[in-house]
Amino acid sequence: SQTIHQWPATLVQPVGSPLSLECTVEGTSNPNLYWYRQAAGRGLQLLFYSVGIGQISSEVPQNLSASRPQDRQFILSSKKLLLSDSGFYLCAWSEGVSPHFGNGTRLTVT
Amino acid sequence: ILNVEQSPQSLHVQEGDSTNFTCSFPSSNFYALHWYRWETAKSPEALFVMTLNGDEKKKGRISATLNTKEGYSYLYIKGSQPEDSATYLCAFCDVSGTYKYIFGTGTRLKVLA
Repeated sequence: SQTIHQWPATLVQPVGSPLSLECTVEGTSNPNLYWYRQAAGRGLQLLFYSVGIGQISSEVPQNLSASRPQDRQFILSSKKLLLSDSGFYLCAWSEGVSPHFGNGTRLTVT
Repeated sequence: ILNVEQSPQSLHVQEGDSTNFTCSFPSSNFYALHWYRWETAKSPEALFVMTLNGDEKKKGRISATLNTKEGYSYLYIKGSQPEDSATYLCAFCDVSGTYKYIFGTGTRLKVLA
């Protein structure tokens, strides 16, 4: 069966520091991969999605970037965090039906 | 930019009450509409995938309907229980083939014992 791992679960980082959140999927090949963010009091906003290795689509202009160095690995990064980057980040995968989510990362930028 | 709206934003009901909430989405280029249940500190759990106009799905006390011509879906909970307390999200997917899932802002349900 397929599983998705996302880490870390919580992270506190100072403004201006770099960020790297990692997500890996097991039990499937060539999945679609997604990064979502929930800012305080808001719904899930799609940040990036990927349909294959090296193929990244960005949905909103922002301070973040994503990479897919391997088929089942999706990384969310920032060179310099802003206060507004605080939020709950969710990675998800799908094979064209419902996305399946990781447990999320709570990021607090101080 | 695809716009998916949910209402109400939050809802308090008494145990045993039935309730419903709405998801509005673009009526053109429809591919699928998903409903999720999201409890705090957990990952969203898929409830329904709906693809055909007039679809009606049911899972226990929870059911959903779909109207793709007018661009809305209703989620119903019959006889709400405290364990139903969660945020209910809908997600729209269009026919562009990119499998982008655009989520609404969610309806936060609190069932009071």
